[in-house]
Amino acid sequence: ETGVTQTPRHLVMGMTNKKSLKCEQHLGHNAMYWYKQSAKKPLELMFVYSLEERVENNSVPSRFSPECPNSSHLFLHLHTLQPEDSALYLCASSQEMGGRGQYFGPGTRLTVT
Amino acid sequence: AQRVTQPEKLLSVFKGAPVELKCNYSYSGSPELFWYVQYSRQRLQLLLRHISRESIKGFTADLNKGETSFHLKKPFAQEEDSAMYYCALSVHDYKLSFGAGTTVTVRA
Repeated sequence: ETGVTQTPRHLVMGMTNKKSLKCEQHLGHNAMYWYKQSAKKPLELMFVYSLEERVENNSVPSRFSPECPNSSHLFLHLHTLQPEDSALYLCASSQEMGGRGQYFGPGTRLTVT
Repeated sequence: AQRVTQPEKLLSVFKGAPVELKCNYSYSGSPELFWYVQYSRQRLQLLLRHISRESIKGFTADLNKGETSFHLKKPFAQEEDSAMYYCALSVHDYKLSFGAGTTVTVRA
């Protein structure tokens, strides 16, 4: 598949579980992003990686832990989440660190029970 | 801090009618502004950027620094334009701040 892919597309987890979201981009980009999209809030930037270095942690709780092993892959490790963390988590990538055309994945719909 | 406001949550127009989605921003510097669109069951995608001054799918948007606005316009709406539209502002070269979005429904 081309573009930005995310797995799984849907995830239901309990508050004591540990799970990971995966994002892969096939565009040769060198910057990757995690966003959270809740029903009642605007799209929120969570983390930014450029050349595998984290350059932004937008006051995200430590129960969310990102990992960027290379410029094509981005993970979001989840542990001891709360029900209010239920949301759509979107991954995006861009050619360089910039708002000039971020390409988004389809998202992972997360439900915390 | 920067902020993007889309005052209309829902917008309904008839096919062939003009459509305008409002976007206002607050930022003291020189921002980059974007419109993103999300069609039903599709991913969020970039529609247009103010720096490129382009027209995409018949849509245009002009940055008005005096009014701090970046409204999206199309003279003749089509049914396939029904979607969710987000205005976004970029500062510090990478941080995108999104508005709450406007759902557009184009009726036949």
